[in-house]
Amino acid sequence: GENVEQHPSTLSVQEGDSAVIKCTYSDSASNYFPWYKQELGKGPQLIIDIRSNVGEKKDQRIAVTLNKTAKHFSLHITETQPEDSAVYFCAASPTGYSTLTFGKGTMLLVSP
Amino acid sequence: SQTIHQWPATLVQPVGSPLSLECTVEGTSNPNLYWYRQAAGRGLQLLFYSVGIGQISSEVPQNLSASRPQDRQFILSSKKLLLSDSGFYLCAWSVRMAEAFFGQGTRLTVV
Repeated sequence: GENVEQHPSTLSVQEGDSAVIKCTYSDSASNYFPWYKQELGKGPQLIIDIRSNVGEKKDQRIAVTLNKTAKHFSLHITETQPEDSAVYFCAASPTGYSTLTFGKGTMLLVSP
Repeated sequence: SQTIHQWPATLVQPVGSPLSLECTVEGTSNPNLYWYRQAAGRGLQLLFYSVGIGQISSEVPQNLSASRPQDRQFILSSKKLLLSDSGFYLCAWSVRMAEAFFGQGTRLTVV
């Protein structure tokens, strides 16, 4: 089955800096890669996703890049703000499957 | 718009007691439904998923079971809770391949 590795487990940045979270996956059949943000005590919220026919996708301060050859994808947050502090999860899903395989999460701390 | 309701938000139960967590989805038909557990350490573990009424797939053998009595209702149950069942339980739904939307979760503490 699919295996998703996520790094780093914790990331501390100063407000205004950029943050990058990286994930690798094992199943070359995976073609859908979402990112979730989870604030304390709440359910994860989908913030951006990318499919295998696209190399990069951007939404305001967040962007995701995908390298299918290397089987890795990354989340980029620019001009970080304290409210970006949360746990971020990457996930992957192979074609034809109804379930996601999640990474173990990255706790992002943005200091004012 | 679609919404997902999950309750209760918090629950404290003694060891050996039964469990019933309920999740309902509004604004969509024939969703895929999921139960996840999130223990300390943040990882999301898929417990059960359902692609239709009465169709349940179990990902991890354990002390829990799931049922889907109606199209937009998903129930997580246990006959006798263990200490190790403590955690944050999340219900989720999707209608397209794999894109999932989560509820707000139930914090279960077994004492």
